[in-house]
Amino acid sequence: GAVVSQHPSRVICKSGTSVKIECRSLDFQATTMFWYRQFPKQSLMLMATSNEGSKATYEQGVEKDKFLINHASLTLSTLTVTSAHPEDSSFYICSATTSGGATDTQYFGPGTRLTVL
Amino acid sequence: QKEVEQNSGPLSVPEGAIASLNCTYSDRGSQSFFWYRQYSGKSPELIMSIYSNGDKEDGRFTAQLNKASQYVSLLIRDSQPSDSATYLCAVKSSGFQKLVFGTGTRLLVSP
Repeated sequence: GAVVSQHPSRVICKSGTSVKIECRSLDFQATTMFWYRQFPKQSLMLMATSNEGSKATYEQGVEKDKFLINHASLTLSTLTVTSAHPEDSSFYICSATTSGGATDTQYFGPGTRLTVL
Repeated sequence: QKEVEQNSGPLSVPEGAIASLNCTYSDRGSQSFFWYRQYSGKSPELIMSIYSNGDKEDGRFTAQLNKASQYVSLLIRDSQPSDSATYLCAVKSSGFQKLVFGTGTRLLVSP
């Protein structure tokens, strides 16, 4: 149980294009999903917290107009990187949890490696 | 600023030995504690969660929590080369949804 998938696993795009990444909880309903970014040899950086049916909460320094997050259902959240540039190249990872209570566990997707040329 | 601190390592142990990974946290209101393993180029995978003081064992892994000392550890018995990875300590505070991660400890198990 507690499987989270991401699609695509790898994407290469040209500078200026937009890229959409999907995160799905396959065997549970995820009221809360999280989006992280990780640069090589660095630790996870939380970008935003997404609750189903409401606007995402972005961490300080993350541009909400550049990283659009939609959590329209209990099993799907999407992250769209708009007008991507080479500095956006990174490993994007989502995680999902159920009610967001103290004992709820975050389960991570396999990640999406974005390369912007 | 809520912080979670880990020694970045690398921690090198021979195959078959016990690996001991440590983590301290600053927020006394923290309620939930997690250990994740991350292989290079992969996403984190959950190893264990612990919520109460004391030890929790799962196979070769034992998590230890001491809330008074704000300290959580992970012991890996009979370490295997396949255990070589970065181990992330994560803490959730009361009233917050998100996890605060340490920077991770890199473990190297030599054959």
